[in-house]
Amino acid sequence: KAGVTQTPRYLIKTRGQQVTLSCSPISGHRSVSWYQQTPGQGLQFLFEYFSETQRNKGNFPGRFSGRQFSNSRSEMNVSTLELGDSALYLCASSHEGRSSYEQYFGPGTRLTVT
Amino acid sequence: AQSVAQPEDQVNVAEGNPLTVKCTYSVSGNPYLFWYVQYPNRGLQFLLKYITGDNLVKGSYGFEAEFNKSQTSFHLKKPSALVSDSALYFCAVREGNFNKFYFGSGTKLNVKP
Repeated sequence: KAGVTQTPRYLIKTRGQQVTLSCSPISGHRSVSWYQQTPGQGLQFLFEYFSETQRNKGNFPGRFSGRQFSNSRSEMNVSTLELGDSALYLCASSHEGRSSYEQYFGPGTRLTVT
Repeated sequence: AQSVAQPEDQVNVAEGNPLTVKCTYSVSGNPYLFWYVQYPNRGLQFLLKYITGDNLVKGSYGFEAEFNKSQTSFHLKKPSALVSDSALYFCAVREGNFNKFYFGSGTKLNVKP
């Protein structure tokens, strides 16, 4: 099975712009979660989508949003970019049920805001 | 609230020696615990999990972890470290019935030849 894929892998944006990141989960996985990883804050949970609905949400401002499509692919959008949004954004998918629970991560999108 | 603590920013060990990476947790209800490893410029790779059952769980690449309920710990161990084990290790806890994970701050493992 193919793993979790994320596009693009690298992105450079300017303050004030917006950005959209994409994630394709492992086939059959309906849950997709997004995380922000920075050296100072570590891994922070952004939100989780399941069956096109946001099921869980972390403590991020409304500039961070996401959605999930019927094929479970997910996108994350950040509007009005700030320098502090520079980070590695990780997507993870998981299979609900059968006591699996673990999440499988993509390689991440490295976002640099200048 | 759920939380995970990894008290060591860095662990240094010689190749061939046993290694331990520490993790303590705080959860309400039964803990679902996980270990992940991250190599440079890569995403996180799942190593092992504790959901229920035996306190000693075995995972990928020869790693194992011991769940200790009384000490609220879930330490990662390996009997004989390899240089290739050098990476960043994260402990995580899943919040109850919600698919929401809390990660520790990470421990950098350095295995020297």
